[in-house]
Amino acid sequence: QVQLVQSGAEVKKPGASVKVSCKVSGYTLTELSMHWVRQAPGKGLEWMGGFDPEDGETIYAQKFQGRVTMTEDTSTDTAYMELSSLRSEDTAVYYCATDRGEGWFDPWGQGTLVTVSS
Amino acid sequence: DIVMTQSPDSLAVSLGERATINCKSSQSVLYSSNNKNYLAWYQQKPGQPPKLLIYWASTRESGVPDRFSGSGSGTDFTLTISSLQAEDVAVYYCQQYYSTPPVTFGQGTRLEIK
Repeated sequence: QVQLVQSGAEVKKPGASVKVSCKVSGYTLTELSMHWVRQAPGKGLEWMGGFDPEDGETIYAQKFQGRVTMTEDTSTDTAYMELSSLRSEDTAVYYCATDRGEGWFDPWGQGTLVTVSS
Repeated sequence: DIVMTQSPDSLAVSLGERATINCKSSQSVLYSSNNKNYLAWYQQKPGQPPKLLIYWASTRESGVPDRFSGSGSGTDFTLTISSLQAEDVAVYYCQQYYSTPPVTFGQGTRLEIK
């Protein structure tokens, strides 16, 4: 059974970058398609991007292109999401989630709260 | 992009009663070649990540109680809880995976006990 464990909460200043990790267990990262979804306080779910196995590439939501980078370290089965040029509106819980090739997300990591504040 | 719109935004139902949440997509998410609706439902409790309930619009995920059911096709979908339990208090989201990117979610429906 797949389990995803994310890194801890972060506090960043505006303009800085944050890198959140997501450690996979139960499967290898190469067997999964990893995605990232964020949720601002009291708001809904927003897809940021993820791996498209048909193209073999990571695809980013247009809103985040140029500011987000999603990478994987297959030697440690850990996925990373780095978001740069942070602003207060990026304050949110960031989730990793796997797509088992069908399109829905299961399971999800526990979430990482990123707070952007001066 | 496919826009997903849920109704209502919030809902209060008595314990043991039926709860119904609707989700409408801006275009059909039914793939004609396999006759499958590319629509999932999630439950999110406070402080927890979303939990998959239903995929292909009506297939219940393993371990999900059978009081949860999904129905609908094309652009209109419904999540029904047949007999509301206290542990069902949560926010519910629909998600389309028919046309990606981007993956899109509904805005969420908050379910409370009346």
